[in-house]
Amino acid sequence: QKEVEQNSGPLSVPEGAIASLNCTYSDRGSQSFFWYRQYSGKSPELIMFIYSNGDKEDGRFTAQLNKASQYVSLLIRDSQPSDSATYLCAVKGSGGSYIPTFGRGTSLIVHP
Amino acid sequence: DTAVSQTPKYLVTQMGNDKSIKCEQNLGHDTMYWYKQDSKKFLKIMFSYNNKELIINETVPNRFSPKSPDKAHLNLHINSLELGDSAVYFCASSPWAGSTDTQYFGPGTRLTVL
Repeated sequence: QKEVEQNSGPLSVPEGAIASLNCTYSDRGSQSFFWYRQYSGKSPELIMFIYSNGDKEDGRFTAQLNKASQYVSLLIRDSQPSDSATYLCAVKGSGGSYIPTFGRGTSLIVHP
Repeated sequence: DTAVSQTPKYLVTQMGNDKSIKCEQNLGHDTMYWYKQDSKKFLKIMFSYNNKELIINETVPNRFSPKSPDKAHLNLHINSLELGDSAVYFCASSPWAGSTDTQYFGPGTRLTVL
């Protein structure tokens, strides 16, 4: 049973701070990792994906992957109230499986 | 220019009824999916179609039957609706059935079974 774990939160940070969201996964052979943002009442939208160990930066967002420790994180710099949403981690497994397993998401609140 | 669209957006119905949700994508993608998101926000795959052929059928009651008339459409028919079917159902598509491609979600259909 492939599992993806996230702290449900809410994670509350002040505007301008760095928000750090974490995700762990059970399938050691997992190859692809995705972060989706979901506003309340809306559909998930892709923020970033990462395939290799290390950091990947895109604007205010940085994804970090550590396959040895089986975790992936998302850092949001200069957090804005508009970043307040639920962040879903998704992992695609080994053997070329293309169906992602989603975590339950972490609720982020950025307060002014 | 809606990439992935679903109808209806809201569906309220009585237990025991049969209902359908329609999904269309205009992205030219080969693969489409149905997901169920429960009240605790857990997003779970139900079905996946690649070029109109069923690829994945997770543990879903056979009251749920997907149909793909062409690769741009994937509909979901639900028979004998139960209270536990209440959830938000998302359709999604991706360019191909691979480990590195990303998924594009429709706006969701909120199903409420009374």
